[in-house]
Amino acid sequence: ETGVTQTPRHLVMGMTNKKSLKCEQHLGHNAMYWYKQSAKKPLELMFVYNFKEQTENNSVPSRFSPECPNSSHLFLHLHTLQPEDSALYLCASSQTREDTEAFFGQGTRLTVV
Amino acid sequence: AQKVTQAQTEISVVEKEDVTLDCVYETRDTTYYLFWYKQPPSGELVFLIRRNSFDEQNEISGRYSWNFQKSTSSFNFTITASQVVDSAVYFCAPNMGRRALTFGSGTRLQVQP
Repeated sequence: ETGVTQTPRHLVMGMTNKKSLKCEQHLGHNAMYWYKQSAKKPLELMFVYNFKEQTENNSVPSRFSPECPNSSHLFLHLHTLQPEDSALYLCASSQTREDTEAFFGQGTRLTVV
Repeated sequence: AQKVTQAQTEISVVEKEDVTLDCVYETRDTTYYLFWYKQPPSGELVFLIRRNSFDEQNEISGRYSWNFQKSTSSFNFTITASQVVDSAVYFCAPNMGRRALTFGSGTRLQVQP
């Protein structure tokens, strides 16, 4: 069983749909992250949560809304997305948000049509 | 500003060849960590190594070795006797300013049988 689990693995949604990505970690970590990986860009950090509190938001459009109800779960709520939002969304966790290695899930491949 | 450069976009080698992946970074921080991750076709990022900026001793782990040169801000990764299973995208990721990981653009390694 992988330490960081993301669901769904693949998602196709229309621009008017609302969907959510889920991430769960079983590692007892305190920090969780959302990254976006597009075909033509490096991995982009989107959000950071530390002890359930959002500590970083890297100028992410409001159509992406994160939620961290507890240290083990992280959601990314999606609404009114654009085709250019199609990407691989990766969740990660680490013991703290600073100097420890992060463990990644397998990602959700999102296609916006 | 912090920045990481992986100048090699794609490298192709034949099995059993040695290959070095370059990573150069910029930072004003005196203390930081450096990471390498591997992303196989399945999508998840796999942690390979973490190096503290105070420790310039080179490290070897099986067929993998890392050469950290603080004077030139480089943290290069060498795979000895490459295998087909090494085919993946490799990311260098500095952790500076006590922030979450910032990834380079990655180097795609193709190992041909």
